[in-house]
Amino acid sequence: KQEVTQIPAALSVPEGENLVLNCSFTDSAIYNLQWFRQDPGKGLTSLLLIQSSQREQTSGRLNASLDKSSGRSTLYIAASQPGDSATYLCAGGRNTGFQKLVFGTGTRLLVSP
Amino acid sequence: DAMVIQNPRYQVTQFGKPVTLSCSQTLNHNVMYWYQQKSSQAPKLLFHYYDKDFNNEADTPDNFQSRRPNTSFCFLDIRSPGLGDAAMYLCATSRDRTGRETQYFGPGTRLLVL
Repeated sequence: KQEVTQIPAALSVPEGENLVLNCSFTDSAIYNLQWFRQDPGKGLTSLLLIQSSQREQTSGRLNASLDKSSGRSTLYIAASQPGDSATYLCAGGRNTGFQKLVFGTGTRLLVSP
Repeated sequence: DAMVIQNPRYQVTQFGKPVTLSCSQTLNHNVMYWYQQKSSQAPKLLFHYYDKDFNNEADTPDNFQSRRPNTSFCFLDIRSPGLGDAAMYLCATSRDRTGRETQYFGPGTRLLVL
């Protein structure tokens, strides 16, 4: 059974700081690893999708890495901005006949001006 | 813009009174999912449709049902809501079930049970 853990649960940083969010998963037979952003009271927005054959993906100031052997993924945010304040969730995809996503509980990020 | 739409955004119901949440999509995706997310918890998959094929998660209570009358619409029916069913309900879609592409989420419906 896949379990996904995110540490820290909350993070507060000043604007401009580079930061790393961590995600760990128990089942290395992961199909893909996704990072989502969730604003308060809203749905999820996909940020990055890393297939199991890939090591990392980049989009703008975001870079996500995947290390299946250690069961870890990181989301790197460069030059953080107040608009980055949100909850970031990672989700491990398992191919159980379909792409089932198992989510972590998220890291709540606050970027102060 | 193509998107996933959920109505209503907020729903208040009474204990035991049936309620229906709706989801529509303009993406023409084959797969539609329903997730339950309780406060400060991870989204939890309830079930999904692959085209007309309904797939229930093993631990989804019988109190939860779903209908997909056509490609664009999917409904979540809660037959007898309990206080523990208060949560955000998220609808998502994906083109297929291969995992090569991401899931697209709607804004969610927040359900309050009085």
